[in-house]
Amino acid sequence: EAQVTQNPRYLITVTGKKLTVTCSQNMNHEYMSWYRQDPGLGLRQIYYSMNVEVTDKGDVPEGYKVSRKEKRNFPLILESPSPNQTSLYFCASSSRAVQETQYFGPGTRLLVL
Amino acid sequence: QKEVEQDPGPLSVPEGAIVSLNCTYSNSAFQYFMWYRQYSRKGPELLMYTYSSGNKEDGRFTAQVDKSSKYISLFIRDSQPSDSATYLCAIGTGTASKLTFGTGTRLQVTL
Repeated sequence: EAQVTQNPRYLITVTGKKLTVTCSQNMNHEYMSWYRQDPGLGLRQIYYSMNVEVTDKGDVPEGYKVSRKEKRNFPLILESPSPNQTSLYFCASSSRAVQETQYFGPGTRLLVL
Repeated sequence: QKEVEQDPGPLSVPEGAIVSLNCTYSNSAFQYFMWYRQYSRKGPELLMYTYSSGNKEDGRFTAQVDKSSKYISLFIRDSQPSDSATYLCAIGTGTASKLTFGTGTRLQVTL
């Protein structure tokens, strides 16, 4: 089954404690993205990657890092989480052929205390 | 001004009604227009995708794009309770993975 998986699905942490949210896709997609979703603000892109070792900032990259060492994986790293990073996070992937039709993961709900 | 504006709702309709969901956008460089559906506690899933002005139909769903007015719509015919979800418009410029999303309209279809 074609899918995007994220882990963990739910996470409660404290300010300053480094965390990583993993994302993996099994569709051999070139493009992968991270979004955060907040009430009234919708989905905002954090970072995206066009292929292995190629990443770029989206609209709200501050406080986040990403890496793309393998085609299927695109982890999101919060080096020093703060309460304003409390949000619902989605990973997405798409093929080069139809970049705009993105497939989303199930989401990771993060609470930073 | 936001690049993409969408009424957040909520919109409540009886089963069988025709639903109209809308977005406006400000940047004429946008070329690709999509509608995503998001059920509670799930990720968005693609419903409709188009790149030209006019109508595109898929079953009970019709996507309409008016580039001259910078206005896009999604119509749902014979709405069902299973259509209850948040509907997000998304617009792309054609560059790598760059989509701009509306804030979403929450739809409730009642029996």
